[in-house]
Amino acid sequence: DAGVIQSPRHEVTEMGQEVTLRCKPISGHNSLFWYRQTMMRGLELLIYFNNNVPIDDSGMPEDRFSAKMPNASFSTLKIQPSEPRDSAVYFCASTRTSGSNEQFFGPGTRLTVL
Amino acid sequence: AQSVSQHNHHVILSEAASLELGCNYSYGGTVNLFWYVQYPGQHLQLLLKYFSGDPLVKGIKGFEAEFIKSKFSFNLRKPSVQWSDTAEYFCAVNPLYNQGGKLIFGQGTELSVKP
Repeated sequence: DAGVIQSPRHEVTEMGQEVTLRCKPISGHNSLFWYRQTMMRGLELLIYFNNNVPIDDSGMPEDRFSAKMPNASFSTLKIQPSEPRDSAVYFCASTRTSGSNEQFFGPGTRLTVL
Repeated sequence: AQSVSQHNHHVILSEAASLELGCNYSYGGTVNLFWYVQYPGQHLQLLLKYFSGDPLVKGIKGFEAEFIKSKFSFNLRKPSVQWSDTAEYFCAVNPLYNQGGKLIFGQGTELSVKP
């Protein structure tokens, strides 16, 4: 199994630009999670989906952030417009809720907004 | 409020010292418990997990954790740390009434091992 796949691995953009982060969960997993990690705030859960349906988006910082999961094998996290304070590492994780609920993390996308 | 508390923000040890990292949670029902490790510049990886049965759980790289239900604790231990154990350690709890497998993470403990 390839594990959770995220792209791009690194993204450098300028303030005001749109940023789209992508995630492919492990095949057969039915829950997907987006996290943000910074030195100041640590690991934060932004949003999670169960069976492609958003369950809890209370961690999404503001309306500039949006996430979609159009099918079981793909999710996007979009920031529009981006700001320097959005600079962070964004992790995607997936799990199968009928099992252990162990989450498997992707390698992350390091986002830098100039 | 539902929470997971890790007592130490940063721990510094010399090689061969023993390690214990504290973790307490605030849920009264059935939970699954996890410890994740994040090596510098990498993503979170599972170290060990507890679902049921023997409360003493053994994980990878010589780590173990003990679930003490009466204390709502799941402390991580290693008898002799190595320089390569330098990493950040996260305790996480999955309350089984949660939909969708959501984990509640502690704030993390940074471990620095001096050679």
